[in-house]
Amino acid sequence: RKEVEQDPGPFNVPEGATVAFNCTYSNSASQSFFWYRQDCRKEPKLLMSVYSSGNEDGRFTAQLNRASQYISLLIRDSKLSDSATYLCVVTSGTYKYIFGTGTRLKVLA
Amino acid sequence: GAVVSQHPSWVICKSGTSVKIECRSLDFQATTMFWYRQFPKQSLMLMATSNEGSKATYEQGVEKDKFLINHASLTLSTLTVTSAHPEDSSFYICSARLLAGGNGDTQYFGPGTRLTVL
Repeated sequence: RKEVEQDPGPFNVPEGATVAFNCTYSNSASQSFFWYRQDCRKEPKLLMSVYSSGNEDGRFTAQLNRASQYISLLIRDSKLSDSATYLCVVTSGTYKYIFGTGTRLKVLA
Repeated sequence: GAVVSQHPSWVICKSGTSVKIECRSLDFQATTMFWYRQFPKQSLMLMATSNEGSKATYEQGVEKDKFLINHASLTLSTLTVTSAHPEDSSFYICSARLLAGGNGDTQYFGPGTRLTVL
């Protein structure tokens, strides 16, 4: 079993739609969780950290479920510019990042 | 803030040559930097952790004699791919660790170096 698993997609959604991604992780000792966004042939950029209480940043909401060992990302009112690959990141040990394979999102006009 | 640069952004070389990639944290000091590799349609795989002033820690399966890492200052780490072969062609990305207190650590990524070995 992979340490961090994501549905690779692609998720094709119309503009304005709400879309949600899940990510599961195997190491129950993981402490920090993040969502990164990666555009084609570019480096990952931090989208948001994920806190136990859940957190929201504009149209983006992240949730953490430690009991079931998954994190989620919800995007409301999708824009064309949201098209990208969304990478789930879980820390191993104190600071090592473990990346999921990413979920591709295509927002269609 | 928290900008990381990489140089070069792309390189094409002949098989058997060595290629050096630089990673710099521009506006913060990074005692720890990381080197990743990403093949097409795959995720980032950590190759090694670069610690300022000490030896790098390599992940399982990564040859330390082939991928030489030097972290001589708090703002610069270099990765040298020695005797590169076509199978080393990949997207190499570095990151620098920014200690953020209560928010935990965050890694900021360089723009990546696309290596093509002919």
